[in-house]
Amino acid sequence: EVQLVESGGGLVQPGGSLRLSCAASGFIFSNYWMDWVRQAPGKGLEWVANIRPDGSDKYYGDSVMGRFTVSRDNAKNSLYLQMNSLRVEDTAVYYCVAAITFTGRRAYLDSWGQGTLVTVSS
Amino acid sequence: IQLTQSPSSLSASVGDRVTITCRASQGISSYLAWYQQKPGKAPDLLIYAASILQSGVPSRFSGSGSGTDFTLTISSLQPEDFATYYCQHLDSYPFTFGQGTRLEI
Repeated sequence: EVQLVESGGGLVQPGGSLRLSCAASGFIFSNYWMDWVRQAPGKGLEWVANIRPDGSDKYYGDSVMGRFTVSRDNAKNSLYLQMNSLRVEDTAVYYCVAAITFTGRRAYLDSWGQGTLVTVSS
Repeated sequence: IQLTQSPSSLSASVGDRVTITCRASQGISSYLAWYQQKPGKAPDLLIYAASILQSGVPSRFSGSGSGTDFTLTISSLQPEDFATYYCQHLDSYPFTFGQGTRLEI
């Protein structure tokens, strides 16, 4: 069974930094794309970033480009999101997602963690 | 690429047939997924590649479309289907979501 457990969320002041972690189990982590998706309170889903299985390519949403960095450690079955220069509008539940279902040259987001809440406030 | 879902909210009854649409601002081939999200829970993948039913998802759910216009259909609503539904494209970066459709009793 695929399990994804996020950690590292909490309260941080505007301009501060936070590092989220995601521990993966139940699948061969090093074989799959991994994504971060967030959801502000009462709002819709926003795709944040993803990373190739070997870590060689990373892509970001427009609102986090230049401030957030996604990384992974395949030896530790772990995914990370380093968040710098945080803004009030970054307040959200952050989900770690495994893109295991693959077809037509695309990996679809089929396994989600329970999420971790990041609150940016003074 | 922007995705526009319609309607934003929908009231329906158990047994109804419901259709939700997702329109892309430019062609995205069939690189589209549909998700269901219930309050306080992570989303679940329902449909991928526009029309392929994810394993374990009931057959009353179906997806269709390609290019810019897509639909999610629930053939006969069940009580557990009342939730919020999102589309997402995977054509090019960034992978954006639609704004969501809230399906209410």
